[in-house]
Amino acid sequence: AQSVTQPDIHITVSEGASLELRCNYSYGATPYLFWYVQSPGQGLQLLLKYFSGDTLVQGIKGFEAEFKRSQSSFNLRKPSVHWSDAAEYFCAVGNNDMRFGAGTRLTVKP
Amino acid sequence: DAGVIQSPRHEVTEMGQEVTLRCKPISGHDYLFWYRQTMMRGLELLIYFNNNVPIDDSGMPEDRFSAKMPNASFSTLKIQPSEPRDSAVYFCASTQGQGRVGYTFGSGTRLTVV
Repeated sequence: AQSVTQPDIHITVSEGASLELRCNYSYGATPYLFWYVQSPGQGLQLLLKYFSGDTLVQGIKGFEAEFKRSQSSFNLRKPSVHWSDAAEYFCAVGNNDMRFGAGTRLTVKP
Repeated sequence: DAGVIQSPRHEVTEMGQEVTLRCKPISGHDYLFWYRQTMMRGLELLIYFNNNVPIDDSGMPEDRFSAKMPNASFSTLKIQPSEPRDSAVYFCASTQGQGRVGYTFGSGTRLTVV
């Protein structure tokens, strides 16, 4: 069965610092992998996706993620965090029955 | 495109009452999904449709929950009777094809059962 683990429930970074959010997955075949962001009171917005090809994928808002099959990971990164990046971030795996991780809440310190 | 539209945004109801949540997917999308989000359980897939046909409802918690998609532009999720533990945010999402492009989510319906 497919599953997603986000080990960090809450992360705090200073504005301008780099960010890495961790995601590990379990999937029986080549996975479709996604990162979504959710601001308070809002729905989820797709940041980026991977299903084949280059293992480093670029997304919106300056985010990128790297697929590492050997580690079953798909970590999200951003070189310089902005205060507006404070939100909840979800990693997801699957296609027609997408499963989500528990989420990582990002707090940005001024 | 207006995106995925859900109504109502907020719903407060008394225990035992029937609740109906509504969703209009993006035109041209052939998959529609209902998710429930709670602090304790996170995002749970309840049911999804392909071309208006329910494909997998294994996530529906119990018989009190039912979902329909009478046409390509409308779906409902009904809870009857509602219970306080049904309080959650319910999201509808849609996509085209087999989901490789990701899902587009609505803004959700926050349901409170008192």
